[in-house]
Amino acid sequence: NAGVTQTPKFQVLKTGQSMTLQCAQDMNHEYMSWYRQDPGMGLRLIHYSVGAGITDQGEVPNGYNVSRSTTEDFPLRLLSAAPSQTSVYFCASTQSLLSRDKDSYEQYFGPGTRLTVT
Amino acid sequence: AQTVTQSQPEMSVQEAETVTLSCTYDTSESDYYLFWYKQPPSRQMILVIRQEAYKQQNATENRFSVNFQKAAKSFSLKISDSQLGDAAMYFCAYNPNFGNEKLTFGTGTRLTIIP
Repeated sequence: NAGVTQTPKFQVLKTGQSMTLQCAQDMNHEYMSWYRQDPGMGLRLIHYSVGAGITDQGEVPNGYNVSRSTTEDFPLRLLSAAPSQTSVYFCASTQSLLSRDKDSYEQYFGPGTRLTVT
Repeated sequence: AQTVTQSQPEMSVQEAETVTLSCTYDTSESDYYLFWYKQPPSRQMILVIRQEAYKQQNATENRFSVNFQKAAKSFSLKISDSQLGDAAMYFCAYNPNFGNEKLTFGTGTRLTIIP
């Protein structure tokens, strides 16, 4: 059971380039999400998904695109990278409201991707 | 919208002593979760402790305990017998209980352990 995995761990992009951050989980979780972490600002929600084929925007969605074709995978696409997107990106997953055990509920995080846009 | 405030950007404590990290939040919901996450230099987010709002008893996990004051919307973390491995960023987070798994985080407190 690998939990939540993210690739790559580090990435450097030039302004205007596009790329996809990969996220996968093997816990059969319905809910997956992407956060970005900037110094002094905590983690902020970018996009989330409540199941395959269903995605929605979070607090800071501009410049990012997501899709969810399978339960396991939730990639994050940067369409045209900008220096303001330099950040650490975390993927997280959890059970849905209907299936989770209230006493053990938590969100599981991947190890993060450090992205630098020059 | 919910907000989470951590008013202590940095804290330090002598090894083996006790330290308390503060967190306040704002919500109109009556049922929700509160979490403390630890982020060491490896940047992995590690769950330290969870509290459900409907439970009046404060959560404890070994050396970690919380003081949950629902009416005051306060959720502080107490670390007893501090160890060098406790040095990390600590984030307070809020999660509504119904129909919404979105986490709202505070800005974090950097904890330094003094040997």
